[in-house]
Amino acid sequence: AQSVTQPDIHITVSEGASLELRCNYSYGATPYLFWYVQSPGQGLQLLLKYFSGDTLVQGIKGFEAEFKRSQSSFNLRKPSVHWSDAAEYFCAAGGGNKLTFGTGTQLKVEL
Amino acid sequence: DAGITQSPRYKITETGRQVTLMCHQTWSHSYMFWYRQDLGHGLRLIYYSAAADITDKGEVPDGYVVSRSKTENFPLTLESATRSQTSVYFCASSVGRGVVEQYFGPGTRLTVT
Repeated sequence: AQSVTQPDIHITVSEGASLELRCNYSYGATPYLFWYVQSPGQGLQLLLKYFSGDTLVQGIKGFEAEFKRSQSSFNLRKPSVHWSDAAEYFCAAGGGNKLTFGTGTQLKVEL
Repeated sequence: DAGITQSPRYKITETGRQVTLMCHQTWSHSYMFWYRQDLGHGLRLIYYSAAADITDKGEVPDGYVVSRSKTENFPLTLESATRSQTSVYFCASSVGRGVVEQYFGPGTRLTVT
């Protein structure tokens, strides 16, 4: 069965520090991969996506993610976190027009 | 460009009552989805629809009914609400035809007392 694992439920970083959120997937074939962000009381916004090709993908708000087939991972990174990045982040994997979501990582940013 | 809207945004209902959550999209996307979001579970798919009059079950369909008579609308009905259905419900849509990325509405927070 398809699954997406986000091993970190909560992460706290200082403003200006770098960030890496982990995501591992289990899928029959290489799936389409996504990162979404959810601010409090809001819906999910697409940050970036990977379909094929270059394994380092750039997204909005200065985020990037790297696909590593050998590790079945798609980790999200940002070089310098801003206080406005505090939110919940979801990794998702998809194929056949459906997505499987991880349980999310709550990011807290300390000023 | 309204995108995808949900109504109501907040709803409190009693156990046993029927309640319908509305979802409307203006993009003419083929696919529409209903998810519920609960702590520790992330988003779980309830039902989805590939086109008008075509619907299928997701991971947690029990207790829910959907219909899709028009491409732009995808209502979700709880026929007899239970406390375990207290959750935040998200509607999403995608272009379909092999395009997997989904676009989400703002959500409906439902409380069943």
